[in-house]
Formats: sequence, structure tokens, C-alpha cells
Amino acid sequence: EPEVTQTPSHQVTQMGQEVILRCVPISNHLYFYWYRQILGQKVEFLVSFYNNEISEKSEIFDDQFSVERPDGSNFTLKIRSTKLEDSAMYFCASRLAGAHEQYFGPGTRLTVT
Amino acid sequence: AQSVTQLDSQVPVFEEAPVELRCNYSSSVSVYLFWYVQYPNQGLQLLLKYLSGSTLVKGINGFEAEFNKSQTSFHLRKPSVHISDTAEYFCAVSSSNTGKLIFGQGTTLQVKP
Repeated sequence: EPEVTQTPSHQVTQMGQEVILRCVPISNHLYFYWYRQILGQKVEFLVSFYNNEISEKSEIFDDQFSVERPDGSNFTLKIRSTKLEDSAMYFCASRLAGAHEQYFGPGTRLTVT
Repeated sequence: AQSVTQLDSQVPVFEEAPVELRCNYSSSVSVYLFWYVQYPNQGLQLLLKYLSGSTLVKGINGFEAEFNKSQTSFHLRKPSVHISDTAEYFCAVSSSNTGKLIFGQGTTLQVKP
């Protein structure tokens, strides 16, 4: 069964460093999302991406964040200068055109020290 | 704005007992409703969805949920739980306009032998 994959599973970085989180959505899906979950809190929407552009972003998704689909399979989330409060689990999700359910990857745990 | 409230943060239950996890939502537009499950150290897995039609929807692992528009609820039920059902359960809503998911805080189901 096709699934969303994410790498790395755990990333430790120092405050101020850039990180790139990688996702491979399900191959025939056209809509892509990033969410995050700070420890003990709810899962929060960050950004949605369709047709090579951002279709919606949350207030969390400020200028420090960017997304890219560099090729036909990868979907990345970049944080330019990490802060302590960026420590969270980051989930990638994708869905088919015309469908409403999203399929999630296993997540990347980002720890900023 | 849409929101989701999961009324119980933790639900302890004995094995083979029935369980109900409660979810209420608010939205000014038509919504689609979902339940996701997160097993320890894993990503979010879709349990079931309500898009339209019959208000009683069945999902994987013997779970079902009932959409109640007048009460703006989407409670999750299982008639007999197993130890393996121990996990975090998330209710989520999306609107037809955005596709993004808005999650509740999650409910930890603890099944005891």
C-alpha cells in the first residue's frame, strides 16, 4: 500500500541553523500539506501546496518557513533560522485531487537546542 | 472560523468494554469530518471519514462514528475494545473551501486488561 514517507525521523539542530525536512507524498497525489505538533499540544496546520504554489498558510508559517517541490517526488519544508519554539513533530500529508481525506507520514521530530 | 473540541483528554476503559470518544465542532460552512489514530511513535492513520450521506460511518478496526448536524458532533464508538486500541485519537474537520485540517486536542484511549 502506498504511503507518505518522511526523512529524517529525528533532527537535532542548534538555534539559528537552517533545517530542511523532507517528504515523499503518495505518487498520484496532487495536494500536499505540512502540520506540526508541539509536545502536549494539538496538531496545527502550517501550509498547503498545490500546482507548485502555496494555496494557504497559517499565521505560524512566517518568513522563516518555505516549502518547495524540487522534483516530481519530494516535498520539503525549510526553516531558515530555527528557534527553540520550533521544536515539534512535523507531519507531511497528501491527498488526491477530488478527495478530502489526507494521508500522513510518520513525522520528523525536530529538536532545537 | 472552524474549531474542534474533544471533550475528554483521557479515557480509561477495560478490555472488551464499549467506548465513546466525544468530538464537537463549529463551522459556518459545510464540513468534512475525520477521525485519525496515532499509535506510539507512529504517524496519523485515518480511521474513518464523513463526507456526506449516511450519518453513521464505519471505519477500520471496528470503529464507527455518527455525524449529528444539530448537535455539531461526531462521536467515535467501538462496542468492544482491545488492548491494541490503546492510542491517541484525533478528531478533525476540513471545509470544502480550504482542504486544511483543523484538529482537536486529542483523546488518549487507555485500554486496561
